[in-house]
Amino acid sequence: DTEVTQTPKHLVMGMTNKKSLKCEQHMGHRAMYWYKQKAKKPPELMFVYSYEKLSINESVPSRFSPECPNSSLLNLHLHALQPEDSALYLCASSPLPASGPSGELFFGEGSRLTVL
Amino acid sequence: KNEVEQSPQNLTAQEGEFITINCSYSVGISALHWLQQHPGGDIVSLFMLSSGKKKHGRLIATINIQEKHSSLHITASHPRDSAVYICAVGTSGSRLTFGEGTQLTVNP
Repeated sequence: DTEVTQTPKHLVMGMTNKKSLKCEQHMGHRAMYWYKQKAKKPPELMFVYSYEKLSINESVPSRFSPECPNSSLLNLHLHALQPEDSALYLCASSPLPASGPSGELFFGEGSRLTVL
Repeated sequence: KNEVEQSPQNLTAQEGEFITINCSYSVGISALHWLQQHPGGDIVSLFMLSSGKKKHGRLIATINIQEKHSSLHITASHPRDSAVYICAVGTSGSRLTFGEGTQLTVNP
């Protein structure tokens, strides 16, 4: 199994809703990432979990709350989002942190979020 | 100046042509990634390089660490190669710095 699975693929939510994005991999990867991508722009790093511990938070607003319940799962909890948070949210994993020579990245298909 | 610069930004080719996309970076890196993103958003990792050259099918990636430059080549291009190609470099910790991407269109 060489997949990173993200659910849901599409999500529409109001500004007062609470929802979650989920990401799962069964490749034994120890680094997992959340990226945000706006149209025609490269992905922007949001969070990195390394060995199930949050190692990087790129000054992301607290309305985004990551969670790594175990080494295979990564969640992104969403609350009180703004319309400008509408974007493609990509999850990725790598055997080891991707800055190193063993850090080949595997991306999920993304969750396209629309905030009304 | 961005830490990772890609060229060209847009590239249109005819089927069968040889294609080169370039990536220059200005920081010390531990690894360089070439990624392919299709219109739906799906991203596929094509190569990860820390030195030399790698080949996979019609794709070839090279890196010159001294010159801080990498190239992605596509031989015998095909319309299904149409996508955005992104260069990303691994710097400190687990960070990747992304280039702005190259939009490739291959016409039949």
